[in-house]
Amino acid sequence: AQSVSQHNHHVILSEAASLELGCNYSYGGTVNLFWYVQYPGQHLQLLLKYFSGDPLVKGIKGFEAEFIKSKFSFNLRKPSVQWSDTAEYFCAVNARTGGFKTIFGAGTRLFVKA
Amino acid sequence: GAGVSQSPSNKVTEKGKDVELRCDPISGHTALYWYRQSLGQGLEFLIYFQGNSAPDKSGLPSDRFSAERTGGSVSTLTIQRTQQEDSAVYLCASSLGLERETQYFGPGTRLLVL
Repeated sequence: AQSVSQHNHHVILSEAASLELGCNYSYGGTVNLFWYVQYPGQHLQLLLKYFSGDPLVKGIKGFEAEFIKSKFSFNLRKPSVQWSDTAEYFCAVNARTGGFKTIFGAGTRLFVKA
Repeated sequence: GAGVSQSPSNKVTEKGKDVELRCDPISGHTALYWYRQSLGQGLEFLIYFQGNSAPDKSGLPSDRFSAERTGGSVSTLTIQRTQQEDSAVYLCASSLGLERETQYFGPGTRLLVL
């Protein structure tokens, strides 16, 4: 069955620390990969997405993610976090083989201390 | 332009009652998705529509759940004979198409079954 796994449920960092959130998926065939973010009191919104080409994709607010096909991973990174990055982050995957059903991970709550 | 809207924003109901949740997608978006987010859980896929058609209903938790979409626009998610375990936030999203398109999320309906 298709699944998405996010390794950390809660992460606490100080400002200026580097961030890496893990995401692994179990999916056959060609996949489309997404990271969504939900800031406190706001709707879920897209952070970045990957379909093909350069496996290192850049998104909004200085975030980037790297697709490693051999590891079935799509980890999210940011070199230096800010207090305003406090939010919940969701990795999501869909594929033609899955009938375009988008599967989300359980989410990672990031808290950045000022 | 208007985003995805959902109503009601909050719903409290008694066990055994039926509830109807509504989603108004962004105009022109052909794809529409329903998800459920329970406390401490990720987003659980329920169903998606391409136009008025729902090709994959496998995510609906039980036959008490049904959804329809009319005119390629508004969608309603109906839960019959609600149970306490149905308590969750129900999220709707829409996109221009399937697969690679960004999903735009509504604010959700918070359902509490007493």
